[in-house]
Amino acid sequence: DGGITQSPKYLFRKEGQNVTLSCEQNLNHDAMYWYRQDPGQGLRLIYYSQIVNDFQKGDIAEGYSVSREKKESFPLTVTSAQKNPTAFYLCASSMQANSPLHFGNGTRLTVT
Amino acid sequence: RKEVEQDPGPFNVPEGATVAFNCTYSNSASQSFFWYRQDCRKEPKLLMSVYSSGNEDGRFTAQLNRASQYISLLIRDSKLSDSATYLCVVNKGSNYQLIWGAGTKLIIKP
Repeated sequence: DGGITQSPKYLFRKEGQNVTLSCEQNLNHDAMYWYRQDPGQGLRLIYYSQIVNDFQKGDIAEGYSVSREKKESFPLTVTSAQKNPTAFYLCASSMQANSPLHFGNGTRLTVT
Repeated sequence: RKEVEQDPGPFNVPEGATVAFNCTYSNSASQSFFWYRQDCRKEPKLLMSVYSSGNEDGRFTAQLNRASQYISLLIRDSKLSDSATYLCVVNKGSNYQLIWGAGTKLIIKP
């Protein structure tokens, strides 16, 4: 079955540590996205990539980094520079820039 | 004013009832509109796109009112399984220009 896989589902880290969230898709989609969801707020775009080896900052990129070395993979690193990293992180992909988004099942990150 | 606004609810509705809720948007240049459904602690899933002429999918009807800048979602004969948070999404151009509402929580009671 095609889909998007995010791992791990739950992640706990100490403040000051960098952490990398995995996102893999086998839908052959060109575009991939990282969102953050906080209680009472809409999803906010962190980074997106329209094609391999290219990515762009979203609305809240500060404190995050990404890479897109393979079409299937779009890992997100939450660095120690991110002030409030505790959140629900969602990876998504779409066939094209205007196609519907398909989401992974998310990673819930808690930093203490 | 937020770019996309939704009543957070929760809306408590008896099973079998009809329920409707709106989502307002501020940018008149917005081009396309969607409703997503999100179950508790899960990822959002596309429920339906919203077309200018309105569209229906089974018990669900979505409508767009460009003049007043809102979209609506109507659910008829509500089921317990309809309990979820419904997210309104407005697209200003491409997927990296999506604006997400915070969601309306719907609880269907037996």
